[in-house]
Amino acid sequence: GQNIDQPTEMTATEGAIVQINCTYQTSGFNGLFWYQQHAGEAPTFLSYNVLDGLEEKGRFSSFLSRSKGYSYLLLKELQMKDSASYLCAVRDQFYGQNFVFGPGTRLSVLP
Amino acid sequence: KAGVTQTPRYLIKTRGQQVTLSCSPISGHRSVSWYQQTPGQGLQFLFEYFSETQRNKGNFPGRFSGRQFSNSRSEMNVSTLELGDSALYLCASSSFDRQGDSNYGYTFGSGTRLTVV
Repeated sequence: GQNIDQPTEMTATEGAIVQINCTYQTSGFNGLFWYQQHAGEAPTFLSYNVLDGLEEKGRFSSFLSRSKGYSYLLLKELQMKDSASYLCAVRDQFYGQNFVFGPGTRLSVLP
Repeated sequence: KAGVTQTPRYLIKTRGQQVTLSCSPISGHRSVSWYQQTPGQGLQFLFEYFSETQRNKGNFPGRFSGRQFSNSRSEMNVSTLELGDSALYLCASSSFDRQGDSNYGYTFGSGTRLTVV
C-alpha cells in the first residue's frame, strides 16, 4: 500500500527558514512533488524530485532520499504570503502519473 | 492561457440525490484527473480520463463515476449521495500523452465544494 506522513501544523516567523518533512512508503515510486495550497484555492506546483539530492528554486528547495523514503521542503526568507498548506505528493506507477498525497502541513508565518 | 475551470464552485445537495460536476481542462490538455479533498483524508485520487477513456482509478465505490468528451471536458457523477461525500472536488489537467512521460506535475482547478445535507 501507500502511506505518506508529514506534520499537521508548523509555525515560523517572517524572515526565518522552515523545513517541512515528508516520509513515504510506496511500491511504485516515480517522483515526489510539493504543492502549495492557500485556503479555498487550487494546489499549485512548487517542486519535483525524482533523483536523490537537492533541487533549488528561488526561496524554495526540496530534497529527496529514495533509500530512506524521505523528502523535505525548505522555505527561506519566509514571507507572510507563505502561510498556506504544503502538500507532499508521490507519483505512484500504480496510478499512472497521478498522485498519492500526504495530509498536508499547515504553515503559519507570524510577523 | 485560461486555466482549469470547474463548475459550479459551490453546491448543496440532499442525501440520496445525485450530482454532476464539470471540469474544462487547459486547451490542448487531454488528460483530466479528479480528486476528493476532505479535512480528515486529505487529497485522494478518484480517477483519470484520457482520450475519453478511463485510464486510472483510485479506491472509491462505484457511486463515483466519470466521463470525458471529445473536447476533453470531463464530468464526474456521484449517485446516492451520503453525508460523507461532502468535500472539495478538484480536477487537474495535464498534457501527458503517455503515462509517466513528464517530469512536471499537472494543473489543478479551484474545485467544486459539495455539501451534502
